[in-house]
Amino acid sequence: AQSVTQPDIHITVSEGASLELRCNYSYGATPYLFWYVQSPGQGLQLLLKYFSGDTLVQGIKGFEAEFKRSQSSFNLRKPSVHWSDAAEYFCAVGYSGGYQKVTFGTGTKLQVIP
Amino acid sequence: EAGVTQFPSHSVIEKGQTVTLRCDPISGHDNLYWYRRVMGKEIKFLLHFVKESKQDESGMPNNRFLAERTGGTYSTLKVQPAELEDSGVYFCASSQGRWNYGYTFGSGTRLTVV
Repeated sequence: AQSVTQPDIHITVSEGASLELRCNYSYGATPYLFWYVQSPGQGLQLLLKYFSGDTLVQGIKGFEAEFKRSQSSFNLRKPSVHWSDAAEYFCAVGYSGGYQKVTFGTGTKLQVIP
Repeated sequence: EAGVTQFPSHSVIEKGQTVTLRCDPISGHDNLYWYRRVMGKEIKFLLHFVKESKQDESGMPNNRFLAERTGGTYSTLKVQPAELEDSGVYFCASSQGRWNYGYTFGSGTRLTVV
């Protein structure tokens, strides 16, 4: 069964510092990978997605993620964090040929301090 | 365009009562999904509609949960009778065409069973 691991439950960074959120997924021939963000009181918003091609994908709000097949990872990065980035971030995976659903990780809460 | 709308945003009910959650997807989106997040855990798939048909209901916890999507428009998720472990946030999402382009999520319904 497909699975996603987000090893960091909670991360605190200073405003302006760089950020990397980790995500590992269970092995699959052709994973579809996603990062979603949930701000307080809001629904989940798609930040970026990866299907194929260039392993470094750009998303909204200045985020990027890199797919590394050898490590089964899809880490999310941002070079300089803003206070408005404080939210919960979810990594998700789906596979072609299967049911049309994704499996989410448990989420990483990001706190941004001045 | 209007987003995915869910209501109520919050619901507090007593154990044994019935609750009905509603989701209005983006107009024209054939695919509608229900997910649930129990406190502190991952967001779990419940079921998937394509128009009015249930494509995959493998995530439904038990027969106390009933989902419908009459006419292929809005969907309801009824829990009857509610149990304490049903508490959590219920998310609805919709997509047009290929699921792997990402979903659009609603802001969720927070259900508390006391």
